[in-house]
Amino acid sequence: DTGVSQDPRHKITKRGQNVTFRCDPISEHNRLYWYRQTLGQGPEFLTYFQNEAQLEKSRLLSDRFSAERPKGSFSTLEIQRTEQGDSAMYLCASSLGSSNEQFFGPGTRLTVL
Amino acid sequence: DAKTTQPPSMDCAEGRAANLPCNHSTISGNEYVYWYRQIHSQGPQYIIHGLKNNETNEMASLIITEDRKSSTLILPHATLRDTAVYYCIAGLRTPLVFGKGTRLSVIA
Repeated sequence: DTGVSQDPRHKITKRGQNVTFRCDPISEHNRLYWYRQTLGQGPEFLTYFQNEAQLEKSRLLSDRFSAERPKGSFSTLEIQRTEQGDSAMYLCASSLGSSNEQFFGPGTRLTVL
Repeated sequence: DAKTTQPPSMDCAEGRAANLPCNHSTISGNEYVYWYRQIHSQGPQYIIHGLKNNETNEMASLIITEDRKSSTLILPHATLRDTAVYYCIAGLRTPLVFGKGTRLSVIA
Protein backbone atom coordinates (compact mmCIF):
# COMPACT_ATOMS: atom_id res chain seq x y z
CA ASP A 1 0.00 0.00 0.00
CA THR A 2 1.64 3.24 -1.18
CA GLY A 3 -0.83 5.53 0.58
CA VAL A 4 -2.50 6.55 -2.68
CA SER A 5 -6.04 5.24 -2.99
CA GLN A 6 -8.36 5.09 -5.98
CA ASP A 7 -12.05 4.46 -6.18
CA PRO A 8 -13.61 2.45 -7.69
CA ARG A 9 -11.12 -0.30 -8.46
CA HIS A 10 -13.25 -1.60 -11.29
CA LYS A 11 -15.92 0.03 -13.41
CA ILE A 12 -17.98 -1.52 -16.17
CA THR A 13 -20.13 0.84 -18.17
CA LYS A 14 -22.00 0.98 -21.43
CA ARG A 15 -20.83 3.06 -24.33
CA GLY A 16 -22.14 6.61 -24.10
CA GLN A 17 -22.36 6.72 -20.31
CA ASN A 18 -20.38 9.10 -18.13
CA VAL A 19 -17.99 7.81 -15.47
CA THR A 20 -16.06 9.49 -12.68
CA PHE A 21 -13.02 8.21 -10.83
CA ARG A 22 -11.56 9.49 -7.60
CA CYS A 23 -7.98 9.60 -6.38
CA ASP A 24 -6.82 10.36 -2.86
CA PRO A 25 -3.08 11.13 -2.83
CA ILE A 26 -0.66 10.99 0.06
CA SER A 27 -1.79 13.89 2.21
CA GLU A 28 1.36 16.03 2.12
CA HIS A 29 1.96 15.55 -1.61
CA ASN A 30 1.20 18.66 -3.62
CA ARG A 31 1.48 17.09 -7.07
CA LEU A 32 -1.06 14.66 -8.45
CA TYR A 33 -0.89 12.85 -11.79
CA TRP A 34 -3.27 10.85 -13.92
CA TYR A 35 -2.04 8.18 -16.33
CA ARG A 36 -3.79 5.70 -18.58
CA GLN A 37 -2.48 2.22 -19.32
CA THR A 38 -3.68 -0.21 -21.96
CA LEU A 39 -2.72 -3.86 -22.19
CA GLY A 40 0.93 -4.44 -22.97
CA GLN A 41 1.85 -0.77 -22.84
CA GLY A 42 3.48 1.39 -20.23
CA PRO A 43 1.43 4.07 -18.50
CA GLU A 44 0.72 7.18 -20.59
CA PHE A 45 0.52 10.60 -19.02
CA LEU A 46 -2.85 12.36 -19.10
CA THR A 47 -2.62 15.38 -16.82
CA TYR A 48 -1.18 16.67 -13.58
CA PHE A 49 -1.92 19.15 -10.84
CA GLN A 50 0.19 21.16 -8.49
CA ASN A 51 -2.10 21.86 -5.58
CA GLU A 52 -5.39 22.82 -7.22
CA ALA A 53 -3.87 24.12 -10.46
CA GLN A 54 -3.91 21.88 -13.52
CA LEU A 55 -0.46 22.51 -15.00
CA GLU A 56 -0.31 20.24 -18.00
CA LYS A 57 -2.63 18.18 -20.16
CA SER A 58 -1.62 15.56 -22.70
CA ARG A 59 -2.98 15.52 -26.23
CA LEU A 60 -4.49 12.18 -25.17
CA LEU A 61 -6.90 14.11 -22.98
CA SER A 62 -9.75 14.73 -25.38
CA ASP A 63 -12.61 17.13 -24.73
CA ARG A 64 -14.58 14.25 -23.23
CA PHE A 65 -12.10 14.03 -20.36
CA SER A 66 -12.00 16.47 -17.48
CA ALA A 67 -10.03 16.40 -14.28
CA GLU A 68 -10.34 18.48 -11.15
CA ARG A 69 -8.57 18.89 -7.86
CA PRO A 70 -10.76 21.49 -6.19
CA LYS A 71 -9.07 21.88 -2.82
CA GLY A 72 -5.66 20.59 -3.71
CA SER A 73 -6.34 17.29 -2.01
CA PHE A 74 -8.32 14.56 -3.79
CA SER A 75 -8.86 14.59 -7.54
CA THR A 76 -11.55 13.36 -9.88
CA LEU A 77 -11.29 12.27 -13.50
CA GLU A 78 -14.50 12.29 -15.48
CA ILE A 79 -15.02 10.74 -18.88
CA GLN A 80 -18.15 11.80 -20.73
CA ARG A 81 -19.82 9.77 -23.45
CA THR A 82 -17.50 6.82 -22.98
CA GLU A 83 -16.23 4.92 -25.99
CA GLN A 84 -14.88 1.39 -26.22
CA GLY A 85 -11.43 2.85 -26.80
CA ASP A 86 -11.55 4.36 -23.33
CA SER A 87 -11.26 0.89 -21.83
CA ALA A 88 -8.01 0.94 -19.86
CA MET A 89 -6.47 1.11 -16.42
CA TYR A 90 -6.52 4.66 -15.06
CA LEU A 91 -3.67 5.28 -12.65
CA CYS A 92 -3.23 8.10 -10.20
CA ALA A 93 0.09 9.06 -8.66
CA SER A 94 1.30 11.73 -6.28
CA SER A 95 4.63 13.29 -5.43
CA LEU A 96 6.15 15.93 -3.22
CA GLY A 97 7.16 18.92 -5.26
CA SER A 98 8.77 18.17 -8.60
CA SER A 99 10.37 14.95 -7.39
CA ASN A 100 10.09 12.16 -9.91
CA GLU A 101 9.56 9.69 -7.10
CA GLN A 102 5.93 9.22 -7.79
CA PHE A 103 3.74 7.01 -5.65
CA PHE A 104 1.07 5.22 -7.61
CA GLY A 105 -2.32 4.03 -6.57
CA PRO A 106 -3.72 0.61 -7.51
CA GLY A 107 -5.62 2.01 -10.49
CA THR A 108 -9.20 1.92 -11.70
CA ARG A 109 -9.89 -0.58 -14.45
CA LEU A 110 -12.54 0.72 -16.84
CA THR A 111 -14.37 -1.56 -19.23
CA VAL A 112 -16.66 0.05 -21.77
CA LEU A 113 -19.12 -2.36 -23.36
CA ASP B 1 13.17 13.28 -22.32
CA ALA B 2 15.72 10.86 -23.68
CA LYS B 3 14.49 7.74 -25.45
CA THR B 4 15.28 4.48 -23.67
CA THR B 5 15.69 1.00 -25.11
CA GLN B 6 15.15 -2.14 -23.03
CA PRO B 7 14.92 -5.81 -23.94
CA PRO B 8 11.29 -6.91 -23.97
CA SER B 9 11.81 -9.85 -21.66
CA MET B 10 14.35 -11.62 -19.46
CA ASP B 11 14.44 -14.67 -17.23
CA CYS B 12 16.35 -15.06 -14.00
CA ALA B 13 16.75 -18.00 -11.64
CA GLU B 14 15.50 -17.45 -8.12
CA GLY B 15 18.31 -16.44 -5.79
CA ARG B 16 20.54 -15.22 -8.60
CA ALA B 17 21.26 -11.62 -9.48
CA ALA B 18 19.00 -10.07 -12.10
CA ASN B 19 20.77 -7.56 -14.32
CA LEU B 20 18.41 -5.43 -16.37
CA PRO B 21 20.03 -3.25 -19.06
CA CYS B 22 18.82 0.05 -20.42
CA ASN B 23 20.18 2.11 -23.26
CA HIS B 24 19.71 5.88 -23.15
CA SER B 25 22.31 7.12 -25.59
CA THR B 26 20.62 10.51 -26.12
CA ILE B 27 20.46 11.41 -22.44
CA SER B 28 21.45 14.96 -21.66
CA GLY B 29 23.76 16.03 -18.88
CA ASN B 30 21.11 16.98 -16.35
CA GLU B 31 18.66 14.15 -16.99
CA TYR B 32 18.26 11.47 -14.37
CA VAL B 33 17.79 7.75 -14.89
CA TYR B 34 14.80 6.33 -13.03
CA TRP B 35 13.67 2.77 -12.58
CA TYR B 36 10.14 1.72 -11.74
CA ARG B 37 8.56 -1.69 -11.73
CA GLN B 38 5.00 -2.87 -12.10
CA ILE B 39 3.84 -6.11 -10.61
CA HIS B 40 0.81 -7.62 -12.31
CA SER B 41 -2.43 -5.74 -11.58
CA GLN B 42 -0.70 -3.11 -9.43
CA GLY B 43 0.43 0.45 -10.04
CA PRO B 44 4.09 1.12 -10.83
CA GLN B 45 6.50 1.23 -7.90
CA TYR B 46 9.55 3.47 -7.67
CA ILE B 47 12.82 1.54 -7.30
CA ILE B 48 15.79 3.85 -7.62
CA HIS B 49 17.22 6.79 -9.57
CA GLY B 50 20.61 8.27 -10.31
CA LEU B 51 22.42 10.96 -12.24
CA LYS B 52 26.09 10.04 -12.62
CA ASN B 53 27.16 7.93 -9.69
CA ASN B 54 26.15 4.40 -8.94
CA GLU B 55 23.37 4.15 -6.43
CA THR B 56 22.21 1.46 -4.03
CA ASN B 57 19.19 1.15 -1.80
CA GLU B 58 17.38 -1.66 -0.04
CA MET B 59 15.74 -2.80 -3.25
CA ALA B 60 18.42 -2.60 -5.92
CA SER B 61 21.62 -1.14 -7.29
CA LEU B 62 21.89 1.17 -10.27
CA ILE B 63 25.06 1.16 -12.32
CA ILE B 64 25.42 4.04 -14.80
CA THR B 65 28.22 3.93 -17.35
CA GLU B 66 30.74 6.74 -17.31
CA ASP B 67 29.43 8.18 -20.58
CA ARG B 68 25.87 7.86 -19.16
CA LYS B 69 24.62 6.25 -22.35
CA SER B 70 23.47 3.12 -20.62
CA SER B 71 22.67 1.74 -17.19
CA THR B 72 21.96 -1.53 -15.45
CA LEU B 73 19.54 -2.22 -12.66
CA ILE B 74 20.71 -5.03 -10.42
CA LEU B 75 18.46 -7.03 -8.14
CA PRO B 76 21.11 -8.89 -6.10
CA HIS B 77 19.06 -11.93 -5.05
CA ALA B 78 15.95 -12.19 -7.17
CA THR B 79 12.86 -13.77 -5.64
CA LEU B 80 9.62 -14.88 -7.23
CA ARG B 81 8.04 -11.64 -5.97
CA ASP B 82 10.41 -9.69 -8.22
CA THR B 83 8.57 -10.96 -11.29
CA ALA B 84 7.32 -7.75 -12.88
CA VAL B 85 7.72 -5.31 -15.75
CA TYR B 86 10.68 -3.02 -15.14
CA TYR B 87 10.68 0.44 -16.68
CA CYS B 88 13.78 2.54 -17.28
CA ILE B 89 13.06 6.26 -17.69
CA ALA B 90 15.55 8.96 -18.58
CA GLY B 91 14.35 12.47 -18.09
CA LEU B 92 14.24 15.66 -16.16
CA ARG B 93 10.84 17.10 -16.36
CA THR B 94 7.61 15.91 -14.95
CA PRO B 95 5.74 13.82 -15.95
CA LEU B 96 7.27 10.38 -16.35
CA VAL B 97 7.45 8.96 -19.87
CA PHE B 98 7.16 5.19 -19.75
CA GLY B 99 8.20 2.82 -22.51
CA LYS B 100 7.16 -0.81 -22.71
CA GLY B 101 9.78 -1.95 -20.21
CA THR B 102 11.36 -5.35 -19.64
CA ARG B 103 9.24 -8.21 -18.41
CA LEU B 104 11.38 -10.04 -15.84
CA SER B 105 10.36 -13.58 -14.99
CA VAL B 106 12.02 -15.07 -11.92
CA ILE B 107 11.99 -18.83 -12.17
CA ALA B 108 12.11 -21.23 -9.24
